[in-house]
Amino acid sequence: DIVMTQSPDSLAVSLGERATINCKSSQSVLYSSSTKNYLAWYQQKPGQPPKLLIYWASTRESGVPDRFSGSGSGTDFTLTISSLQAEDVAVYYCQQYYSTRTFGQGTKVEIK
Amino acid sequence: QLQLQESGPGLVKPSETLSLTCTVSGGSISSSSYYWGWIRQPPGKGLEWIGSIFHSGSTYYNPSLKSRVTISVDTSKNQFSLKLSSVTATDTAVYYCASGGDDSSWGAGPFDYWGQGTLVTVSS
Repeated sequence: DIVMTQSPDSLAVSLGERATINCKSSQSVLYSSSTKNYLAWYQQKPGQPPKLLIYWASTRESGVPDRFSGSGSGTDFTLTISSLQAEDVAVYYCQQYYSTRTFGQGTKVEIK
Repeated sequence: QLQLQESGPGLVKPSETLSLTCTVSGGSISSSSYYWGWIRQPPGKGLEWIGSIFHSGSTYYNPSLKSRVTISVDTSKNQFSLKLSSVTATDTAVYYCASGGDDSSWGAGPFDYWGQGTLVTVSS
């Protein structure tokens, strides 16, 4: 099984400031023949199902604001919210889809 | 645009089998363009993938649950289902059904459509 580990578990950021969440996989999720990283990011607000934000590590889902960006390759990945808005308060999960499926433990983002 | 809706009992007794159904609308469950999955979330905790089923009929399960899980498709009703046997209180969770794209070039993608989730409590 591929284990996904996120850091930090929670963070508080001022409105308009940058939020950075890290995700590390226990083995590479880069499929070399396609140069694609099988890594996604989801946002979950209370009482709602998760919403797909980013796939292939850096491709934004349609309709996702451009303040959300994903980066990284292999085993180390980052989700960045460039300018935190009130509506971004949520728990964020990374997920690998390289081999079956596993999620990170989640990172809670709050307003400072 | 796919829509998914979970249904099933909200209360299951310990040692019994949890059974849920996901009804798909806006697309065919027989389509080779999608695959289907179940994910759960215990109260106040994170997401746990339970398993997935593909157009070919192949199923993949979380190793920690594999001995107790069965996922199947009913094409006549455009539904897929989850059965989890020998439940205990630790199986109490919100259960989500979800779907993702399946492409011949890059394989199966992330879950991009989700149901709203249904809370299942295991208690006598």
